[in-house]
Amino acid sequence: DTAVSQTPKYLVTQMGNDKSIKCEQNLGHDTMYWYKQDSKKFLKIMFSYNNKELIINETVPNRFSPKSPDKAHLNLHINSLELGDSAVYFCASSQEFPNYGYTFGSGTRLTVV
Amino acid sequence: KQEVTQIPAALSVPEGENLVLNCSFTDSAIYNLQWFRQDPGKGLTSLLLIQSSQREQTSGRLNASLDKSSGRSTLYIAASQPGDSATYLCAVRDRNTDKLIFGTGTRLQVFP
Repeated sequence: DTAVSQTPKYLVTQMGNDKSIKCEQNLGHDTMYWYKQDSKKFLKIMFSYNNKELIINETVPNRFSPKSPDKAHLNLHINSLELGDSAVYFCASSQEFPNYGYTFGSGTRLTVV
Repeated sequence: KQEVTQIPAALSVPEGENLVLNCSFTDSAIYNLQWFRQDPGKGLTSLLLIQSSQREQTSGRLNASLDKSSGRSTLYIAASQPGDSATYLCAVRDRNTDKLIFGTGTRLQVFP
C-alpha cells in the first residue's frame, strides 16, 4: 500500500526520557513534515524537510530534533520529555510542487507521565 | 499571517440531512485548499483538494467550493449518514510561506 506510515502508534513514557518517532513514505514525495495536534485538536506544523534538507523550523524547543536519512524517511527525536509534550504527532508528505496536496500518517499519541 | 477558521465548531444532525461546513481564511494568497476528515483517535484522510484556480471539486456525496477572493470554502455533504460522523478539517497551502495551515475543525455527529 502506498502510504505514510509512522511508528509507534502509541508511546507512554516518563518525564525526562528521550524518545523517537519514525516516519516513512513510499509515495515518492520530495517533502516531509511533522505536525503536532494539541489537546484542543489544533494541528500546527513543526518541521518540514525537502530532499533531506530542513526547510521549515517553527518555534519548537530545541529538545525536538528531526532527522532525515533520505527523502523517504523523517524521524523525530525528543530529548528530556516534558508533560507539555503530550500530544498527537503526525507525519505528512507532499510533492514540492505547490499544487499537490498532503498525505498524512495515522499519528503517534505521545503521553508523558 | 494566514489564519483559518471553521464554523460551526460542532454540528449534530439527523441522518439524511444535507449540510454545509464553512471554512474561511484571511489571506487569499493560497496555492490550494484541502478538506480532511479525522475519526476519533485516527489519522487524517484527505477528502478533496481544490486548486486556487478552481471553483469546486466533487467526490461522491461531497462537494467543496472555493471563493478565493472572499477567503471562503464550503464543504457540502449530501444525504448525511451516521458513518459521516467525524471531525472535518480544512487547510490552506499558503503561498507566502508554503505551509499547510489548518482550521480549527468542525465536529460532526449524524444520528440515526
